[in-house]
Amino acid sequence: DQQVKQNSPSLSVQEGRISILNCDYTNSMFDYFLWYKKYPAEGPTFLISISSIKDKNEDGRFTVFLNKSAKHLSLHIVPSQPGDSAVYFCAPYPNAGKSTFGDGTTLTVKP
Amino acid sequence: NAGVTQTPKFQVLKTGQSMTLQCAQDMNHEYMSWYRQDPGMGLRLIHYSVGAGITDQGEVPNGYNVSRSTTEDFPLRLLSAAPSQTSVYFCASSYGQGRTDTQYFGPGTRLTVL
Repeated sequence: DQQVKQNSPSLSVQEGRISILNCDYTNSMFDYFLWYKKYPAEGPTFLISISSIKDKNEDGRFTVFLNKSAKHLSLHIVPSQPGDSAVYFCAPYPNAGKSTFGDGTTLTVKP
Repeated sequence: NAGVTQTPKFQVLKTGQSMTLQCAQDMNHEYMSWYRQDPGMGLRLIHYSVGAGITDQGEVPNGYNVSRSTTEDFPLRLLSAAPSQTSVYFCASSYGQGRTDTQYFGPGTRLTVL
């Protein structure tokens, strides 16, 4: 049973436009979420997080929105840059070292 | 800090061979984990440790063993390699303090089992 789903395997946007990556979860006990970014041949790196006490968290060009009633979160990148091309994973808070990752969305930003 | 290091970067094994993937971190993190990533899929947890001497199974533990004798090191052993274990393996560590912990990942080991 996959607790976290990223239903879009890939997304392609033009440089300068907005990228929106989505993530749905099933477990209402999750109350903290992290987004990781992964370049080819590298390990994932932490990008941004959000707590359930907030519905929005911003960090520069990156904003994550959380809709608890819909069990949905989204990552917005504005403006998108070619260097943002990577695989993005959402993950609820790791519990005792465990973590459930979505399958990832491959973002391609075209110059 | 070197962060999380993994060796080797690449490995080719024959079915039935055994080997150990090495993972080390120099951040004094309590929590360490091993994941595998197959094409088109997310990271699946193999084993994890919440401190030296303590390990537990994740989602896909079969065919793998771990031990944690020191805080720094968390090796992953393949007992008898099978083609289904062809994957990219990532080691990760985190402080383990508080509920907002983020994980730091190593660069990965690409394993092919023939």
